[in-house]
Amino acid sequence: NAGVTQTPKFRILKIGQSMTLQCAQDMNHNYMYWYRQDPGMGLKLIYYSVGAGITDKGEVPNGYNVSRSTTEDFPLRLELAAPSQTSVYFCASSYQRPIAGANVLTFGAGSRLTVL
Amino acid sequence: AQKVTQAQTEISVVEKEDVTLDCVYETRDTTYYLFWYKQPPSGELVFLIRRNSFDEQNEISGRYSWNFQKSTSSFNFTITASQVVDSAVYFCALRSTGTASKLTFGTGTRLQVTL
Repeated sequence: NAGVTQTPKFRILKIGQSMTLQCAQDMNHNYMYWYRQDPGMGLKLIYYSVGAGITDKGEVPNGYNVSRSTTEDFPLRLELAAPSQTSVYFCASSYQRPIAGANVLTFGAGSRLTVL
Repeated sequence: AQKVTQAQTEISVVEKEDVTLDCVYETRDTTYYLFWYKQPPSGELVFLIRRNSFDEQNEISGRYSWNFQKSTSSFNFTITASQVVDSAVYFCALRSTGTASKLTFGTGTRLQVTL
C-alpha cells in the first residue's frame, strides 16, 4: 500500500506563479485534508473534504483552492504564489464512519514549497 | 473554539533519562479525542496514540506512556529511558465531535536526546 502520496516533494516558485500540489490516497478514505506547517508552528488546516465533490475551508484557506473530483485525489492549487506561502504542506486522509469516533489521520511525506 | 498548548518548545536530555512532554487542551465539547504524533528529522508524521474523552486510563506502550487528566485538561507524554532515536518533534492534537475529524495541533515540542 502506498498510503498517501504527495508530489512534488520540493518546489521553488517565483512570486505570482501558480502551481498544484498533488495528493493521492489508495486506502479508500472518505476524508482528506491539507495542512501547512510553518517553522516552529503546529500544523494549520487549509482545506478539507468529507467526500468526492465536497470541500470546505479550514483555518487558513486564503490563497488556495482545492477540488475533490474522485475519492482518491485531493489537489491543492496556489493561484498567485506569495512569500507567505513558503511552508511545508501535508496532505492527510482518514476513513470516518458516520456517528463514530475520530479515526486516525494518515499523513503524506510532505511537500516543501519556497516562494521567492 | 479548540486550542492545544505545548508550552515546552524544546527539551534536551541525555540518553537514558526520562522525559515528559506536556500538553494542555481547551474545548467546550464533552466528547473529544486527543492524539500524539511524532515528526522525526525525516519530516513525516507518525501516529503514536489516540485517546477519547471517556477513557481516562493511562496507557503504556513499551517506553512510552500517556497520562490523561480531564480535571486539568492535560494529556502528557512520558518517554522512559530515552534513546537517540526518540529525537523528534512531538505534536499533541485535539479533535472534537462534529468537526469533520479536523485536528487542531499544538505547536510541538522538539526533543533532542544526546549520548
